Amino acid sequence: SQTIHQWPATLVQPVGSPLSLECTVEGTSNPNLYWYRQAAGRGLQLLFYSVGIGQISSEVPQNLSASRPQDRQFILSSKKLLLSDSGFYLCAWSASGGPGEQYFGPGTRLTVT
Amino acid sequence: GQNIDQPTEMTATEGAIVQINCTYQTSGFNGLFWYQQHAGEAPTFLSYNVLDGLEEKGRFSSFLSRSKGYSYLLLKELQMKDSASYLCAVRNTGGFKTIFGAGTRLFVKA
Repeated sequence: SQTIHQWPATLVQPVGSPLSLECTVEGTSNPNLYWYRQAAGRGLQLLFYSVGIGQISSEVPQNLSASRPQDRQFILSSKKLLLSDSGFYLCAWSASGGPGEQYFGPGTRLTVT
Repeated sequence: GQNIDQPTEMTATEGAIVQINCTYQTSGFNGLFWYQQHAGEAPTFLSYNVLDGLEEKGRFSSFLSRSKGYSYLLLKELQMKDSASYLCAVRNTGGFKTIFGAGTRLFVKA
């Protein structure tokens, strides 16, 4: 069966510090991968999605970037965090060629102080 | 533009039936999804509709009318554990982007 891992679970970082969040998927090949952010009490904002190694589409211009160095690994990064980057970050995968239902990792709660 | 509308909050009684509505306006349509999200947790997939009509899955059913840009999620025999947010999401043609609504917070009371 497929599983998705995401870490760390919580993170407190000062403004201006770098960020690296990692997501890995097991039990499937060539998944579509997604990074979302959810502000408190709000919906999911799509940040990046990837349909293959090295292929990244950005949805929202901001100080975040994403990379997919391996088929089942997706990394979200920032060189300098802003206060507005605080939120709940969710990684998700869907089967390529499938109906499109997404399966989410447990999330990382980021607080920028 | 792209827009998904859902009621912000609903309250229902344990054992009852509740219907959560969703209307959407998106650039293309390639499927509608419902997800459940408990407070502080990640969303989990509930249902998928791509053709008009009703899809039933145990206590949960989802309906779609593409011509009206409308869907609903029906929850029967409500249990306290059904207290959660319910997210309506639409997948665009092209297949990779899914737009999420802000979610409906459902409170189930005894």
